[in-house]
Amino acid sequence: DAGVTQSPTHLIKTRGQQVTLRCSPKSGHDTVSWYQQALGQGPQFIFQYYEEEERQRGNFPDRFSGHQFPNYSSELNVNALLLGDSALYLCASSVTGGGPNSPLHFGNGTRLTVT
Amino acid sequence: AQSVTQLGSHVSVSEGALVLLRCNYSSSVPPYLFWYVQYPNQGLQLLLKYTTGATLVKGINGFEAEFKKSETSFHLTKPSAHMSDAAEYFCAVRRMDSSYKLIFGSGTRLLVRP
Repeated sequence: DAGVTQSPTHLIKTRGQQVTLRCSPKSGHDTVSWYQQALGQGPQFIFQYYEEEERQRGNFPDRFSGHQFPNYSSELNVNALLLGDSALYLCASSVTGGGPNSPLHFGNGTRLTVT
Repeated sequence: AQSVTQLGSHVSVSEGALVLLRCNYSSSVPPYLFWYVQYPNQGLQLLLKYTTGATLVKGINGFEAEFKKSETSFHLTKPSAHMSDAAEYFCAVRRMDSSYKLIFGSGTRLLVRP
């Protein structure tokens, strides 16, 4: 049973460019959340997708957008990259019906470096 | 606003010694509480989660956490540290309203000395 898979594992982009990160949730999970983890910090919530819609959003600018597909996989897009966007981007999946105490299952992340 | 504080960005213990990692949350109503571990170059793995009504929660790898409502704390402990426990540990909370996001602490890096 595959867990949460993310691609690519590493990415180097130039300031001003756009990037797309991909995530496949754990089998049986229908909800995908994205987190940004800057070096030496805890993960910060970007947004969550359920039923192909953004259900909740954290304190991130509109440059950050996402999408969820009918097979529950998800993409995170970041436009007009800034140096400060360099971070580990984590995807987490869960089951909405599992309740608020249901834990998130995380992928290994995509390390984005903006130069 | 809901927040979580982890005291000590680094904790160093000897192999075989007690591990104590501190976590305090800011809420009059206890939120849902979790501890995650992150090994180098990996994502986060759930260690344990708080269950309503419990004071002591057991997790994987011999870790457990004690919930103290009066102190708004959810400290993580392990009786005897192993070299493989060296990692970053994050306490996280989720509000009991309709919020879906996890709020993470800044993390504590556990160093285990041989």
